[in-house]
Amino acid sequence: QVQLQESGPGLVKPSQTLSLTCTVSGGSISSGGYYWSWIRQHPGKGLEWIGYIYYSGSTYYNPSLKSRVTISVDTSKNQFSLKLSSVTAADTAVYYCARRTPEAPGSGTYLDYWGQGTLVTVSS
Amino acid sequence: DIQMTQSPSSLSASVGDRVTITCRASQSISSYLNWYQQKPGKAPKLLIYAASSLQSGVPSRFSGSGSGTDFTLSISSLQPEDFATYYCQQSYSTPRFGGGTKVEIK
Repeated sequence: QVQLQESGPGLVKPSQTLSLTCTVSGGSISSGGYYWSWIRQHPGKGLEWIGYIYYSGSTYYNPSLKSRVTISVDTSKNQFSLKLSSVTAADTAVYYCARRTPEAPGSGTYLDYWGQGTLVTVSS
Repeated sequence: DIQMTQSPSSLSASVGDRVTITCRASQSISSYLNWYQQKPGKAPKLLIYAASSLQSGVPSRFSGSGSGTDFTLSISSLQPEDFATYYCQQSYSTPRFGGGTKVEIK
């Protein structure tokens, strides 16, 4: 059973960089064609996909956040990370990491395992 | 950019009711549509993928249908544990979620 766990500071000051790590257990981050994703949810709002990374380092970001987002992977630690720069109060949200399945013809992809989420508040 | 619109945004129903939630894409997404359930304070949980495939372990009272631009999630007989918020998500292009449908107790 794959498990994901987010970690990182719960409070970040405006204009600074938000940094989170997702640790994967129960499976290798390098296996099976999976992509490793970050999603966020503003308080009381819907879900927003941030981006994903393959174990090789290939990334794909939401165009609306692309200029501020960096996702990286550390296969030796079975972890992947999110950095979001120049944060404002609008970046206050619960941040989730999740596993995206490989592309299947006619079926697309989906997020089958999720971390529990971590609340990050941007405030001075 | 493909927009996803869910309706209704909320509904009230009783245990045992049949519930249907609709998700509409701004352009055709074939069957690249997934449904998730989220309970307060918890991560979303995958229910349906590829429009109509039931995720392993999900009760058979949940079903999905549709293709192209119009999709539905149905719960055949609402159970107490089904009161939650439901989201659709397209994987045809840049992933995007619908705004959610909150299912509340009548």
